[in-house]
Amino acid sequence: GQQVMQIPQYQHVQEGEDFTTYCNSSTTLSNIQWYKQRPGGHPVFLIQLVKSGEVKKQKRLTFQFGEAKKNSSLHITATQTTDVGTYFCAGLTGNQFYFGTGTSLTVIP
Amino acid sequence: GAVVSQHPSRVICKSGTSVKIECRSLDFQATTMFWYRQFPKQSLMLMATSNEGSKATYEQGVEKDKFLINHASLTLSTLTVTSAHPEDSSFYICSARAGTLRGYTFGSGTRLTVV
Repeated sequence: GQQVMQIPQYQHVQEGEDFTTYCNSSTTLSNIQWYKQRPGGHPVFLIQLVKSGEVKKQKRLTFQFGEAKKNSSLHITATQTTDVGTYFCAGLTGNQFYFGTGTSLTVIP
Repeated sequence: GAVVSQHPSRVICKSGTSVKIECRSLDFQATTMFWYRQFPKQSLMLMATSNEGSKATYEQGVEKDKFLINHASLTLSTLTVTSAHPEDSSFYICSARAGTLRGYTFGSGTRLTVV
């Protein structure tokens, strides 16, 4: 069945350090979305990538969609305490979005 | 724009009772809504796709008679957990999409505790 894996599962960084989470799908994705879920909260949409090799930036966040459209990454430059939360990718196959396993980010002040 | 309202946010019920969770799209029409379940520190697991005016589509392993879904209008979908048991305790969350170029908007979630 469809699987979307993310690594790492957990990441602790010192404030100011960079952070990257990787998303890998067992099948080719039509597009990929990224969400952030704060502790105790609900997922909030960050961005959608559609094209092979696409790169998008949102301030300190950089999102990439792999050439084969089976993987994606989210990179945060110079993390801040406000970046704490779990980051999920969600890949579209057919009409269904499948969420990745998530990466929980802890930022140590 | 694209707000999804979910109620209640928290509910505690006795084992054997039923609980209804509502999910409303406030400023857009949603012919399709999605219901997820999330265990602590885990990802969102799609339970079912709610279709306005027709039967919901359930994911493999999800009991349709236990998790009743009704999507009676373009702005409202309900999930009823029937004869709840402690193992049904979880975080239930709905989502809908306001357009193909937008991401999914999630409700605030419902934390169900069955005692």
